[in-house]
Amino acid sequence: GAVVSQHPSWVICKSGTSVKIECRSLDFQATTMFWYRQFPKQSLMLMATSNEGSKATYEQGVEKDKFLINHASLTLSTLTVTSAHPEDSSFYICSAREAPGSNQPQHFGDGTRLSIL
Amino acid sequence: SQKIEQNSEALNIQEGKTATLTCNYTNYSPAYLQWYRQDPGRGPVFLLLIRENEKEKRKERLKVTFDTTLKQSLFHITASQPADSATYLCALGMDSNYQLIWGAGTKLIIKP
Repeated sequence: GAVVSQHPSWVICKSGTSVKIECRSLDFQATTMFWYRQFPKQSLMLMATSNEGSKATYEQGVEKDKFLINHASLTLSTLTVTSAHPEDSSFYICSAREAPGSNQPQHFGDGTRLSIL
Repeated sequence: SQKIEQNSEALNIQEGKTATLTCNYTNYSPAYLQWYRQDPGRGPVFLLLIRENEKEKRKERLKVTFDTTLKQSLFHITASQPADSATYLCALGMDSNYQLIWGAGTKLIIKP
């Protein structure tokens, strides 16, 4: 149980392109989903917290106009990297909590490797 | 400043031995601590959670300890197997905040 599917797993595109990444909880409803960015050999960096039906909460330093997050249903959140540039190349991972409560484990998707040429 | 540290160097352990990974933190008072496993190119997978009032938690071959005085958690894998090779991440949490604060992870290599 508690499976999170993330799609696509790999994207290569030209600079200036907008890229949408989907995160789905397959067998549970997730009121809260998280979006992370991870650089090699570094810790997960939380970008934003996505709550179903409301605006996402962005972490300091993350441009909300650059990284658009939509959480329209209890099983789907999307991250759109708008007008992507090479510096946006990274590994993006989403996670979801199955149950409310800050101490509940997070269930992660398998990430999206984004490469901007 | 607040920080969370895990062994940055890869840990090489002989198959069958116990692997011990360390997670140290400063200037935090976490209510709980979680451990995750991450394989290359994959998302982390939750392993164990231990609360501040718990000294030790076990799950099969895994054991986690939490010493709030030393500000340290140890993660043990007994009878280690090559399949245990992965990066292990620790994450601190506070009940008042939904966020987790993540360590950079320790790469564990179990040699046959």
